[in-house]
Amino acid sequence: KQEVTQIPAALSVPEGENLVLNCSFTDSAIYNLQWFRQDPGKGLTSLLLIQSSQREQTSGRLNASLDKSSGRSTLYIAASQPGDSATYLCAVKPGRSGGSNYKLTFGKGTLLTVNP
Amino acid sequence: GAGVSQTPSNKVTEKGKYVELRCDPISGHTALYWYRQSLGQGPEFLIYFQGTGAADDSGLPNDRFFAVRPEGSVSTLKIQRTERGDSAVYLCASSLGGHRSSTDTQYFGPGTRLTVL
Repeated sequence: KQEVTQIPAALSVPEGENLVLNCSFTDSAIYNLQWFRQDPGKGLTSLLLIQSSQREQTSGRLNASLDKSSGRSTLYIAASQPGDSATYLCAVKPGRSGGSNYKLTFGKGTLLTVNP
Repeated sequence: GAGVSQTPSNKVTEKGKYVELRCDPISGHTALYWYRQSLGQGPEFLIYFQGTGAADDSGLPNDRFFAVRPEGSVSTLKIQRTERGDSAVYLCASSLGGHRSSTDTQYFGPGTRLTVL
């Protein structure tokens, strides 16, 4: 059974700092990995999706990397801003050999606070 | 265009009551998913619809939970004889292709926060 772990559970940084969020998964048979942002009382917003054949994806100040063989992904946020404060979730989509390829498995998330 | 919408945004009910949670997916999305997110946890899969049929309901915790999507668009998650342990945020997502595409992206609604007293 796929398990996804996110470290740290919470992180507080001053504005302007660069930071890294970590995600690890136990079964490397994945189709893709997604990073989501969740604001209080809101749904999930997809930030970046990395296919299993890719090593990284970038969007603005965000960069996500994937090392499928070691079961790891990182989300790098450059020059953090107070508006980046939210919970960040990573989720993996299994490959066909690993089960139903529509069923996302999520980590518990990292609660990020960026202080002005 | 409009995203996934869910109603109500909040629902408070008493133990033993019946509740219905509604999801309006993005127009044209054939795949629809329900997830449940308990406090401090990530969302957990409940059920997946492809069109009108439930292709996978393996995540439903027990037979008090049921979901329908009669016309292949709006879906309703129904919970009978609610228990305090059912309290959670229920998230709905939709996507264009479902299991048919590895690049398929699920778009999530804002969720319904269910509180069972």
